[in-house]
Amino acid sequence: AQKITQTQPGMFVQEKEAVTLDCTYDTSDQSYGLFWYKQPSSGEMIFLIYQGSYDEQNATEGRYSLNFQKARKSANLVISASQLGDSAMYFCAMRERANQFYFGTGTSLTVIP
Amino acid sequence: SAVISQKPSRDICQRGTSLTIQCQVDSQVTMMFWYRQQPGQSLTLIATANQGSEATYESGFVIDKFPISRPNLTFSTLTVSNMSPEDSSIYLCSIRDFGTEAFFGQGTRLTVV
Repeated sequence: AQKITQTQPGMFVQEKEAVTLDCTYDTSDQSYGLFWYKQPSSGEMIFLIYQGSYDEQNATEGRYSLNFQKARKSANLVISASQLGDSAMYFCAMRERANQFYFGTGTSLTVIP
Repeated sequence: SAVISQKPSRDICQRGTSLTIQCQVDSQVTMMFWYRQQPGQSLTLIATANQGSEATYESGFVIDKFPISRPNLTFSTLTVSNMSPEDSSIYLCSIRDFGTEAFFGQGTRLTVV
């Protein structure tokens, strides 16, 4: 089974609107971490946000928030007030207790002016 | 967070040649990793760079093709040897410490012609 599943290969959002990028995960560990990264066309991987499995509050970092639903094993990224510079690939990732890291296949986000 | 400098940022190489990619971190880190991202794909872990000893390679990757050095806790190199067009990818170094985040260098976009 896939450890990280991102079911949206491509998404479009109007500038200034909010968008949700989906991510589900599969693990039997009790302790794990969930990450989101942004990859612009330049190729670098930019860390956006982190959620620990024991964190009770959803993580937020500026316009980014992580909608963590542990029972459903989902960790969706919400970007509020989209900007043109948000157009990029977005990868969801998970770190398990053994320090193994798994990446999803990514979602390409395009912000429309 | 640590600052990671990866060089070169991009290169175009002739088949049969080798390219060495450098990853320099501005502080000592416990773990350094090398990833490959083939066009349109997600990230695949090549190996864990171990300080002062041989790297630990993932299935499908061998030392003769991807020799790695890590002479100290702030620096590592990855060499892509005897290149073919199939090696055209983005190569990324990543660091992790005993904290939660995982950060990446700027990536090296390699094209083999």
